Amino acid sequence: QVQLVESGGGVVQPGGSLRLSCAASGFTFSTYGMHWVRQAPGKGLEWVAFIQYDGSNKYYPDSVKGRFTISRDNSKNTLYLQVNSLRAEDTAVYYCAKDHFLSGSYPYYFDYWGQGTLVTVSS
Amino acid sequence: DIQMTQSPSTLSASVGDRVTITCRASQSISRWLAWYQQKPGKAPNLLIYKASSLESGVPSRFSGSGSGTEFTLTISSLQPDDFATYYCQQYNTYSGTFGQGTKVEIK
Repeated sequence: QVQLVESGGGVVQPGGSLRLSCAASGFTFSTYGMHWVRQAPGKGLEWVAFIQYDGSNKYYPDSVKGRFTISRDNSKNTLYLQVNSLRAEDTAVYYCAKDHFLSGSYPYYFDYWGQGTLVTVSS
Repeated sequence: DIQMTQSPSTLSASVGDRVTITCRASQSISRWLAWYQQKPGKAPNLLIYKASSLESGVPSRFSGSGSGTEFTLTISSLQPDDFATYYCQQYNTYSGTFGQGTKVEIK
């Protein structure tokens, strides 16, 4: 069965950085695009990054472009999100999610999700 | 950027009720829309994709319809397990914008 396990969250000061990881299993990781989606406490869902199955294309919303970087290591079945210049409004649970389409080059929809990792930006 | 607006924000209903949630896009997204269910403290769960296709394993009381800019999620007979928050998501552009969510509460 598909499993996605996030790690790397924690408390960080404004302006700081973190690297989130997502370990994937139960499917052929190297053949699917992957996403990060976040949810601020008590708020809705916000998509924050997509990476193509082979890492060649990446997409971000304007709210995080230039501060967040998505990457993947297909040899380790692991997805990453480097988050820099953190602000209070980046406080959220960060989920990794699998895209539905095999060998998809663009972001579509999410058919499996991890349990999330909490990032808290606070001084 | 495409904006997604759900209505209502909160819905109070009883077990057995027929429930309809609406999602409107700020511009046409054809049928590139998905619906998710989220329970407190849990990750979202995919219900519907391509506006009306039911994800495997999802009960048939859930259905989706619409195209262009207006879409609906219908629960034909609300069950106790269905009290949750529902989100629509567009994937027409190179992004994945969500609606703000609709919380279905017990009446």
